[in-house]
Amino acid sequence: ELVMTQSPATLSVSPGESATLSCGASQGISSNLAWYQQKPGQSPRLLIYATSTRAAGIPARFSGSGSGTEFTLTISSLQSEDSAVYYCQQYSNWPPIFTFGPGTKVDIK
Amino acid sequence: QITLKESGPTLVKPTQTLTLTCSFSGFSLKNKNVAVGWIRQPPGKALEWLALIYWNDNTRHTPSLNTRLTVTKDTSKNQVVLTMTNMDPVDTATYYCAHILYDSWSGYYVGFDTWGQGALVVVSS
Repeated sequence: ELVMTQSPATLSVSPGESATLSCGASQGISSNLAWYQQKPGQSPRLLIYATSTRAAGIPARFSGSGSGTEFTLTISSLQSEDSAVYYCQQYSNWPPIFTFGPGTKVDIK
Repeated sequence: QITLKESGPTLVKPTQTLTLTCSFSGFSLKNKNVAVGWIRQPPGKALEWLALIYWNDNTRHTPSLNTRLTVTKDTSKNQVVLTMTNMDPVDTATYYCAHILYDSWSGYYVGFDTWGQGALVVVSS
């Protein structure tokens, strides 16, 4: 069974700084990784898929990288509106399975 | 513009069967490569993918809940229905339906690009 991990659990960053979030897979998943943002009381929003492709309408200050078992989401020039929980999610084509990580909470100081 | 909305009971008793309906607009499950998924989130916890249904009626479920889940669609009503049997208090969660993004370049279904508002379901006697 594939397991996704995320670190740190919580990240506190000042406005204007950058945040680096990590996601790991217990086995290689190539580039089959997506990232979501979920603000309190809201549904998740897809940010990135295929490790580094931004979803429609996502600003360029969200970027993703990695491959295999280690992935990173970087949020540059952090704004107060970026305060949220960020989830990574792997996907496979056969069998079709989606597995989410436990999330990283980003607080803006 | 794609929209989805979940509907169903707010409270179910242990051992009962949960039926949730996802009503959507802005796309059709008659069209090739279209798929809709279900995801849940217990209060204060992480997201968990449950199941999905494709335009061709094929379905897939998370292995841990495979025997309890059924997903069907009614293309004439633009609805997808999730059924979960033998509900337990640990199944208390917000249940989301979502449109699944198909990446034509890779041929993969890569994630959930539009979500419903979610439906909180509490399992309690």
